[in-house]
Amino acid sequence: QKEVEQDPGPLSVPEGAIVSLNCTYSNSAFQYFMWYRQYSRKGPELLMYTYSSGNKEDGRFTAQVDKSSKYISLFIRDSQPSDSATYLCARVISSGSARQLTFGSGTQLTVLP
Amino acid sequence: EADIYQTPRYLVIGTGKKITLECSQTMGHDKMYWYQQDPGMELHLIHYSYGVNSTEKGDLSSESTVSRIRTEHFPLTLESARPSHTSQYLCASMSSSTDTQYFGPGTRLTVL
Repeated sequence: QKEVEQDPGPLSVPEGAIVSLNCTYSNSAFQYFMWYRQYSRKGPELLMYTYSSGNKEDGRFTAQVDKSSKYISLFIRDSQPSDSATYLCARVISSGSARQLTFGSGTQLTVLP
Repeated sequence: EADIYQTPRYLVIGTGKKITLECSQTMGHDKMYWYQQDPGMELHLIHYSYGVNSTEKGDLSSESTVSRIRTEHFPLTLESARPSHTSQYLCASMSSSTDTQYFGPGTRLTVL
């Protein structure tokens, strides 16, 4: 079992739709989570990170973590064609000065105008 | 915006050539990483470094090597390129204060 599992997609939605992107993880060690967005032929860029259970909002984006069910989600409200990209969830486990970062396989999203 | 650079952005080269992919960051980050990513596929960690003169192999076996002589510079070398090395190579550095990885734009390598 992979440490971080992500819905592979691809996902295609109409402009203005609410998008839900999801990941699950298997390790219960102290950790936090990030969402990256990767446009075609570019490097990933950090969208959001969250340390604890609950919701974190940033504009049209909401990151949600449910540690009891080991489930993380990214919601995009009022989706735009410019949101079309691959979204990667990532988990960081901290142990002293060591950091282990694990990425999901990515979900490709297309927002149709 | 992160200050991490990769050169070249695109490289097409023949089998058997030695190549070095450059990665530099101006943020003073100790931790740096190399990932390999095929189109539409997940990121695979191939090398990482926690500081000068420290390098480790990642999760994915790779025939490449890396060096870390200076904090800001983390080059990746392939001694003899093969078509199986065709991929995108992404370099990243991590801030110890936020544990956030910043990625470079990537080098898309094609070996003929």
